[in-house]
Amino acid sequence: AQKVTQAQTEISVVEKEDVTLDCVYETRDTTYYLFWYKQPPSGELVFLIRRNSFDEQNEISGRYSWNFQKSTSSFNFTITASQVVDSAVYFCALSLYGQNFVFGPGTRLSVLP
Amino acid sequence: ETGVTQSPTHLIKTRGQQVTLRCSSQSGHNTVSWYQQALGQGPQFIFQYYREEENGRGNFPPRFSGLQFPNYSSELNVNALELDDSALYLCASSLKGEGARYEQYFGPGTRLTVT
Repeated sequence: AQKVTQAQTEISVVEKEDVTLDCVYETRDTTYYLFWYKQPPSGELVFLIRRNSFDEQNEISGRYSWNFQKSTSSFNFTITASQVVDSAVYFCALSLYGQNFVFGPGTRLSVLP
Repeated sequence: ETGVTQSPTHLIKTRGQQVTLRCSSQSGHNTVSWYQQALGQGPQFIFQYYREEENGRGNFPPRFSGLQFPNYSSELNVNALELDDSALYLCASSLKGEGARYEQYFGPGTRLTVT
């Protein structure tokens, strides 16, 4: 069975600070996909990134970056120079070939002005 | 905006009643998944439909059922509603098969309240 853990329930930072959201996953499969989603107060889940288990290259997209380490089963997400608009709940998820997404419990990020 | 739409936005039902939620998938997608998200929790997978057939199911009882139509839209039906069914129901569309990328795109959800 697959499992995703996000140990940080809530994080508060002041605008312009960097923040890292942790994600640890469990699976016995060698082929799997990892995702990050953002859920703003409006409720709609917004897709941020997909990573497959064979691609450990870190990725940067603007202020967002992701660090995937198979050795520690982690897929962490860093926001650089955080902004108030980054305030949301962030979910890490694991899927086998697009089926049965398993979501973590989420981390609520509050960015204070 | 993903192009995934859901209706209705909000719904209030009484325990024991039945409810039908609807979802239109994003253009070019052929797979629809349904999730239940209780307050303060992550989404829980209910089931997935591909080619009008159920293609995977989470730990939900049979009173949760679904349909997918030839145009890839979908319905989620819940019978004999219980108070614990109160949640945000999310629909997600994706592409399975050739060209699949596996990410799912979510609709805005239907907030169901059971009293």
